[in-house]
Amino acid sequence: GAVVSQHPSRVICKSGTSVKIECRSLDFQATTMFWYRQFPKQSLMLMATSNEGSKATYEQGVEKDKFLINHASLTLSTLTVTSAHPEDSSFYICSATATGSGREKLFFGSGTQLSVL
Amino acid sequence: GENVEQHPSTLSVQEGDSAVIKCTYSDSASNYFPWYKQELGKRPQLIIDIRSNVGEKKDQRIAVTLNKTAKHFSLHITETQPEDSAVYFCAARISGNTPLVFGKGTRLSVIA
Repeated sequence: GAVVSQHPSRVICKSGTSVKIECRSLDFQATTMFWYRQFPKQSLMLMATSNEGSKATYEQGVEKDKFLINHASLTLSTLTVTSAHPEDSSFYICSATATGSGREKLFFGSGTQLSVL
Repeated sequence: GENVEQHPSTLSVQEGDSAVIKCTYSDSASNYFPWYKQELGKRPQLIIDIRSNVGEKKDQRIAVTLNKTAKHFSLHITETQPEDSAVYFCAARISGNTPLVFGKGTRLSVIA
């Protein structure tokens, strides 16, 4: 299957700092990437849809100025958590669909565990 | 928008028994239904998926059934093994570029 690489896998930061998470599709082009957030023992909650070359679409309740998404190429999307606070601590995971055949399949990155002190 | 309900939230079975997880969806336009397995701290892994033009799909010990009229789909795992223990998520989507909407997950424990 297609490979989605996500870095870093774990981040510990101080309150008020910004954290950047990268999501790369390694062997396919992804016109669309999705960012999810997962709290312990809970489901994946969609944060935003990232489209290459255009602005991201954010879900209701997700602050676009706090969670900055950039999808500058067909293989890279980034999520920046700005001025992080302890309540932002969570597991963030990106996913991508391939262009062309099999495009309905969604492949996930390995996730980033963010801990804000 | 789409809403996916998943039951049960936890499921314990004896090794070798079958496990069934059920999901319902609200949007009749949804046409793609994948199932993911997630182990603790790891990414969700696609284990099987089904499109709305198919009623049933099987892959070794795993099968998925879809009832479009009732808007529900189920995951069946036969001859369960301890390594099947994980959280399973169902999901639904309308088209290739729309996001998946996930159920709340089922924590499956297979007891040896």
